[in-house]
Amino acid sequence: QSVLTQPPSASGTPGQRVTISCSGSNSNIGANSVNWYQYLPGTAPKLLIRNNNQRPSGVPDRFSGSKSGISASLAISGLQSEDEADYYCAAWDDRLNGALFGGGTKLTVL
Amino acid sequence: QVQLQESGPGLVKPSQTLSLSCSVSGVSISSGTYWWTWLRHHPGMGLEWIGYMHHSGNTNFNPSLKSRVTMSLDTSKNQFSLTLTSVSAADTGVYHCATTCDDGGCFDYWGQGTLVTVSS
Repeated sequence: QSVLTQPPSASGTPGQRVTISCSGSNSNIGANSVNWYQYLPGTAPKLLIRNNNQRPSGVPDRFSGSKSGISASLAISGLQSEDEADYYCAAWDDRLNGALFGGGTKLTVL
Repeated sequence: QVQLQESGPGLVKPSQTLSLSCSVSGVSISSGTYWWTWLRHHPGMGLEWIGYMHHSGNTNFNPSLKSRVTMSLDTSKNQFSLTLTSVSAADTGVYHCATTCDDGGCFDYWGQGTLVTVSS
């Protein structure tokens, strides 16, 4: 069981806005930055959001991140079929002294 | 642009040792710029951080795996490696090498991954 909690699934229609939540504790999200990844099996995971809300070069501005307290969210606006993938949040945990991932959210574009 | 490519056996028998390598291009692993990292994706269970190593020799491993994990750098080949001992079916998954950003939970460059199955 992952220490960072994500909903197992999310869905939306093309053009819609969807959000994926990630809940942790004071030792991880509450103390450190949250990062988000897009994962398609068989491919290299892609860093979407770093340091809570920063987009690496090349990531469309349709993707945005936010954090408040011990929770974080990834928002995807203008949903596209190519966004269908698994999404993971991650944060450093000071108690574990290691990186933690959420259990992942499978996004389906209807 | 940093590029990473994993290699290793696709099948390992239970109780044996898993050894994987990651070939790096675009940067020297001895540059000190990155922390060289291993992660894995368990089928149906998600991503797990295994640990990382720096050229300085500093390492940090997932406490749940620490007793079985070794990492090393081969500067002559510009590669880094992962060794995991006493494997079981629970170690089956896709193993990725990556680089760690300034934040320990941030991994910016990833390899495509290599599937490792533990089975007799």
